[in-house]
Amino acid sequence: AQSVSQHNHHVILSEAASLELGCNYSYGGTVNLFWYVQYPGQHLQLLLKYFSGDPLVKGIKGFEAEFIKSKFSFNLRKPSVQWSDTAEYFCAVRRQNFVFGPGTRLSVLP
Amino acid sequence: DAGVTQSPTHLIKTRGQQVTLRCSPKSGHDTVSWYQQALGQGPQFIFQYYEEEERQRGNFPDRFSGHQFPNYSSELNVNALLLGDSALYLCASSRMAGVNSPLHFGNGTRLTVT
Repeated sequence: AQSVSQHNHHVILSEAASLELGCNYSYGGTVNLFWYVQYPGQHLQLLLKYFSGDPLVKGIKGFEAEFIKSKFSFNLRKPSVQWSDTAEYFCAVRRQNFVFGPGTRLSVLP
Repeated sequence: DAGVTQSPTHLIKTRGQQVTLRCSPKSGHDTVSWYQQALGQGPQFIFQYYEEEERQRGNFPDRFSGHQFPNYSSELNVNALLLGDSALYLCASSRMAGVNSPLHFGNGTRLTVT
């Protein structure tokens, strides 16, 4: 069965700290990879996506992610977080349908 | 503005009852998917509708059913509600023709079963 795992349940950082959220998926073959963000009280929004080509993809708000095929990973990074990045982050993989990871809650302290 | 609209925003039902949730997709989208998001978990795929037919289904019992209308809007029906059905139900729309079309989500309907 398809599965997506996210390394951390809750991450707490101070403003300006660097962020890396881990994501691993369980199957090979061609996949589409996504990171979604859910700000408090808001709907899920697309941060970035990877389909093919350059494994380093850039998204909105300074986020980027690197696809490492050999490690079945798609980790999310941001060099310097802001208080406004406080949210829940979900990694997702699509083959026939979308499979989401359990999410990582990020709390950024001002 | 989410583009995808869901109603109602909150709903309280009693165990054994039936519920209908509604979704209007983002303009230009023809495919609607429904997800269940339990507290502290990621969204779980329920099913997907395209051209008024269920195209894919996740691991959910037959108590969960749906419908898509000619205007692409969709309903999710849950019969014989259980306490464990309490969750946030998310509707997401996309374009079937766009192979790489990401999902656009609505704000969800919070269902509480007592």
